[in-house]
Amino acid sequence: DQQVKQNSPSLSVQEGRISILNCDYTNSMFDYFLWYKKYPAEGPTFLISISSIKDKNEDGRFTVFLNKSAKHLSLHIVPSQPGDSAVYFCAASVLNRDDKIIFGKGTRLHILP
Amino acid sequence: GAGVSQTPSNKVTEKGKYVELRCDPISGHTALYWYRQSLGQGPEFLIYFQGTGAADDSGLPNDRFFAVRPEGSVSTLKIQRTERGDSAVYLCASSLTGVRGYTFGSGTRLTVV
Repeated sequence: DQQVKQNSPSLSVQEGRISILNCDYTNSMFDYFLWYKKYPAEGPTFLISISSIKDKNEDGRFTVFLNKSAKHLSLHIVPSQPGDSAVYFCAASVLNRDDKIIFGKGTRLHILP
Repeated sequence: GAGVSQTPSNKVTEKGKYVELRCDPISGHTALYWYRQSLGQGPEFLIYFQGTGAADDSGLPNDRFFAVRPEGSVSTLKIQRTERGDSAVYLCASSLTGVRGYTFGSGTRLTVV
């Protein structure tokens, strides 16, 4: 049973436009959410996170929005750049409980020239 | 070292053989995690060490899988009687601050033929 769901396996966006990646979760105990980026043959690298006490966190071109009532979060990348082409994993955790991160299946983002 | 190092980067083994996968965490990181990423899936939690002890091994799929971290630094994931379904990328991560500070290695791609 997938606790973290990324329903779009892939997404193509024109360079310079906004990329929006979506994620849903089912476990209401989750209180910390993360996005990881992964290039081929490399491990996932941390991108941005958000605590459940917030509804938005911004870091440069990356913004994560959290809608707790809908159990939904999204990652916005503006403007999209060629180097953003990668697989993006949404992940969630129960902070201060067991240090385990639950990942979604990932969304492959293609930035088109 | 500067990052999390995993060796070997690739391992091909025959069905039924025993394999060991090694992880060298970032120096000083007390927490160490093993994840497995199968094709088309996100990383799935296997086991978490705090120091030398396994704090949570609930993700190990069966008793063919075992992991150790005898001196609280390097960890070895051991798989007995490998099966074709064990083929995946095995990722190791270390952290000083729990889920907020995971750093992943590049992984070991295990192929069981």
